[in-house]
Amino acid sequence: DSGVTQTPKHLITATGQRVTLRCSPRSGDLSVYWYQQSLDQGLQFLIQYYNGEERAKGNILERFSAQQFPDLHSELNLSSLELGDSALYFCASSGGGRSNEQYFGPGTRLTVT
Amino acid sequence: EDQVTQSPEALRLQEGESSSLNCSYTVSGLRGLFWYRQDPGKGPEFLFTLYSAGEEKEKERLKATLTKKESFLHITAPKPEDSATYLCAVQAEWGSQGNLIFGKGTKLSVKP
Repeated sequence: DSGVTQTPKHLITATGQRVTLRCSPRSGDLSVYWYQQSLDQGLQFLIQYYNGEERAKGNILERFSAQQFPDLHSELNLSSLELGDSALYFCASSGGGRSNEQYFGPGTRLTVT
Repeated sequence: EDQVTQSPEALRLQEGESSSLNCSYTVSGLRGLFWYRQDPGKGPEFLFTLYSAGEEKEKERLKATLTKKESFLHITAPKPEDSATYLCAVQAEWGSQGNLIFGKGTKLSVKP
């Protein structure tokens, strides 16, 4: 158990809909990262938050957004969903500094039908 | 462009048959190289961090090494429970705030 929690575990929704994925980092970690994993692309970085502020952006679509709240949990919002958005979405957290290992949550499997 | 390439894509071993997985990387200044293990449908599990060429880390049957261009994950006398996908990732010193760039992984199957 990495200490990172994600809900829900599975999500099935229709095209055009909007969903919210939730992540709680390990106790004491200030950084939260979101990654998308699809069969053909592997793990792709989406966005990073550090102590409530956006720190870095990767290949995140404009239809996707995220935020980190004062209690450090984070939410990833996906809107106008398309079939191609079906994937595993992982959240990771780290404490920062030189020892910057990222610990991953169990993921949310999103299926868009 | 920062890039990570892992080989082979898949590897089948007999129990006890030692082997190595390769991770080649191109990065504008290496902050760290990470190895993860991922079981199907699960989140990646952290294994090792390597920071500089010549560094080695060991954990049970696994040993990770690092050169200026690549890293190896050596598996000694593997067991069926070592079957998983092994992911390599790099963190660049410049141009990012800490996100990892992943390779596509090596899927390891160990048969009894």
